[in-house]
Amino acid sequence: AQSVSQHNHHVILSEAASLELGCNYSYGGTVNLFWYVQYPGQHLQLLLKYFSGDPLVKGIKGFEAEFIKSKFSFNLRKPSVQWSDTAEYFCAVFAGNNRKLIWGLGTSLAVNP
Amino acid sequence: SQTIHQWPATLVQPVGSPLSLECTVEGTSNPNLYWYRQAAGRGLQLLFYSVGIGQISSEVPQNLSASRPQDRQFILSSKKLLLSDSGFYLCAWSVGQGTDTQYFGPGTRLTVL
Repeated sequence: AQSVSQHNHHVILSEAASLELGCNYSYGGTVNLFWYVQYPGQHLQLLLKYFSGDPLVKGIKGFEAEFIKSKFSFNLRKPSVQWSDTAEYFCAVFAGNNRKLIWGLGTSLAVNP
Repeated sequence: SQTIHQWPATLVQPVGSPLSLECTVEGTSNPNLYWYRQAAGRGLQLLFYSVGIGQISSEVPQNLSASRPQDRQFILSSKKLLLSDSGFYLCAWSVGQGTDTQYFGPGTRLTVL
């Protein structure tokens, strides 16, 4: 069955530290890839997405992600985190023509000031 | 611009009582609509999705049902709530073939006592 794995469940960083959150999926065909973020008390919102083209995609608030097809990965990165990046981060994948968005379990990020 | 509304924001219900959660979308026509349940540490579970009025697909057999009486209205219901129905319920919408970005509402926190 198709699945999405987020390797880090809880991450704690200090401000200005670099961030990389891992996301791997299990599907060998065409995928649409997403990172969503849920700030405390706010809606789940789109951070960035990849459908095709340049595998390095840039999103809001300085985040970026790189699609590596050979590794079935879509890792999220930010060079320097801020306290306001404290949130829950979810990776999600559409696999082929399947209309069901497959979600990772999420990574809780806490950034200490 | 498109907006999505959910109500109520929070709900406390006794076991065995009925449930009705409503979701409406503004600013778009013929959206795909989704109901998810989000549990801490368990990601998002797709419950139902709809591609049009009266068209509902159920992903998980359970105590809940969904209806779409109007193009931009999606309702989640139960005749008799169980303790296990407690959770955070999210409505989302998308357009197109159903593999594009999903946009989420603010959610309803349901507690069944």
